[in-house]
Amino acid sequence: QSALTQPASVSGSPGQSITISCTGTSSDVGGYNYVSWYQQHPGKAPKVMIYDVNKRPSGVSNRFSGSKSDNTASLTISGLQAEDEADYYCLSYAGSSTSIFGGGTRLTVL
Amino acid sequence: EVQLAESGGGLVQPGGSLRLSCAASGFTFSSYWMHWVRQAPGKGLVWVSRINTDGSSTSYADTVKGRFTISRDNAKNTLYLQMNSLRVEDTAVYYCARDHYGQVDYWGQGTLVTVSS
Repeated sequence: QSALTQPASVSGSPGQSITISCTGTSSDVGGYNYVSWYQQHPGKAPKVMIYDVNKRPSGVSNRFSGSKSDNTASLTISGLQAEDEADYYCLSYAGSSTSIFGGGTRLTVL
Repeated sequence: EVQLAESGGGLVQPGGSLRLSCAASGFTFSSYWMHWVRQAPGKGLVWVSRINTDGSSTSYADTVKGRFTISRDNAKNTLYLQMNSLRVEDTAVYYCARDHYGQVDYWGQGTLVTVSS
């Protein structure tokens, strides 16, 4: 049950696009279309931004999008804004009723 | 509006026990699987446990298996996490969360558990 692999940090300037990767195995990310992404600001509870690989909850900006290829899922944020600066986590179903998070990525908006 | 409110956190000595509760409202609690997720200070999110709709099926992370027990009372719309043999490394904010196919779609605000002598 090792965590899914995410880059520790990414950065971008306002208006740019960034992509955060989430790499697992065929037993989790690659085996199911049940990958989600969460945004967490300091001291706050996480908020779902993407679920089922590429679906966006009501109220989440269409600047956020998700995709998956083999054992790697990705979150892309386009048109970066200052309020996007936060920690981002991926989560995948891992079979046998278990789930697994990524280690988290800190996004800095320069 | 979906609401999840955790309670029961606090300071406990190593080897001690604590029971967390999560009061659910705004949805049909008995129709949803539920999770517990934790976050140690300054660290990332870690999945802890999951329970099915009637409580007959449970699963745990290896780090808590045999020490923690997840349960639910659908009549009271409440999720529980019984934590025994607590260790310093169990110190974290514990979040109650609603399940969506092994993912989380709603989170509580969390309750802090501190294990220290």
